[in-house]
Amino acid sequence: EPEVTQTPSHQVTQMGQEVILRCVPISNHLYFYWYRQILGQKVEFLVSFYNNEISEKSEIFDDQFSVERPDGSNFTLKIRSTKLEDSAMYFCASGTSGTVSYEQYFGPGTRLTVT
Amino acid sequence: GEDVEQSLFLSVREGDSSVINCTYTDSSSTYLYWYKQEPGAGLQLLTYIFSNMDMKQDQRLTVLLNKKDKHLSLRIADTQTGDSAIYFCAESIAGNNRKLIWGLGTSLAVNP
Repeated sequence: EPEVTQTPSHQVTQMGQEVILRCVPISNHLYFYWYRQILGQKVEFLVSFYNNEISEKSEIFDDQFSVERPDGSNFTLKIRSTKLEDSAMYFCASGTSGTVSYEQYFGPGTRLTVT
Repeated sequence: GEDVEQSLFLSVREGDSSVINCTYTDSSSTYLYWYKQEPGAGLQLLTYIFSNMDMKQDQRLTVLLNKKDKHLSLRIADTQTGDSAIYFCAESIAGNNRKLIWGLGTSLAVNP
């Protein structure tokens, strides 16, 4: 069964460093998302991506964040200058474009630790 | 604003039914979802219901939606120890972006 994959599973970085979190969505999906979950808090929407552009972003998704779909299979989230408060589990999700299906399938997540 | 609330913990005995409850605030919700997260794992889509439905059944899972009270529940029949996990309720709001708004999750403990 196809699934969303994410790498790395755990990333440790120093404050101020850039990180790139990678995701491979399910191959025939057209909608892509990033969410994050800070420990003990709700899962939060960061950004949605469709047709090679951002379709919506949350207030969290400020100028230090960017997303890219560089090669038609990968979907990346870049954090330019990490802060301590960026430490969280980051989930990538993908969804179909079907009129009936609003399903979003999630990857296993990348745990980002900023020290 | 958009908000989803769930109780944090539920403990049941193996073989009993579990009922996990969720309330949401946005009346423009289109789909409501239940996701399961096992320890160390990602978010697994269990089931979802369209907002114009009252009930959906899928094997051991029954979803009930009371749109008037903005209340969603997930019933797991014959709960097994393998059902121990965190269960998240989420809603998507009308529109093209389909972003999900999440509850904090209910931790289900199944005791033998």
